Amino acid sequence: GAGVSQSPRYKVAKRGQDVALRCDPISGHVSLFWYQQALGQGPEFLTYFQNEAQLDKSGLPSDRFFAERPEGSVSTLKIQRTQQEDSAVYLCASSLWWTPRETQYFGPGTRLLVL
Amino acid sequence: KNEVEQSPQNLTAQEGEFITINCSYSVGISALHWLQQHPGGGIVSLFMLSSGKKKHGRLIATINIQEKHSSLHITASHPRDSAVYICAVGMEYGNKLVFGAGTILRVKS
Repeated sequence: GAGVSQSPRYKVAKRGQDVALRCDPISGHVSLFWYQQALGQGPEFLTYFQNEAQLDKSGLPSDRFFAERPEGSVSTLKIQRTQQEDSAVYLCASSLWWTPRETQYFGPGTRLLVL
Repeated sequence: KNEVEQSPQNLTAQEGEFITINCSYSVGISALHWLQQHPGGGIVSLFMLSSGKKKHGRLIATINIQEKHSSLHITASHPRDSAVYICAVGMEYGNKLVFGAGTILRVKS
């Protein structure tokens, strides 16, 4: 079946612009994660959804970052008033259940460049 | 100090060599994951371990819970193994993963 997909794959934004990044998880997967990966670094946790409920948003760097998953499937990560330090790859992952011992399936990422 | 430390940061090997990448962590975990990331960003899960050892083809992963240490071994390395290998731990409470910085592996033919 289809894996996790993300769009757009690349996004160039001017500083101050709002951007929206989309994640389509594997159908039926309960858990959805967003991660931010800066160049040369490992990914860092942003937020976690179990179905439509956002259970952990402790990794969101500021109130300019907002994520939603209104119907428990597709998720959108929105960044308002983008700044240069937001430039990174944004990765989405999904897993079948909610337990910590689940394999996470990663999307290809959205590479965001803020000029 | 990072919660997850990997070594080495960079590794260059000749084709056929046995490779070991190490991961140490300082927090209570529910499971440890080894991931592979190729240029362009795609991340693939290789192993998930909560104890002992797992083997898949030429890859072997081990974990020592008491010592809070895991190793990823690649036998008979091949240029196609060139990638970034990332260790990540699932926290004891909650569902998020905490990642190491990754090990950049280059296997030369």
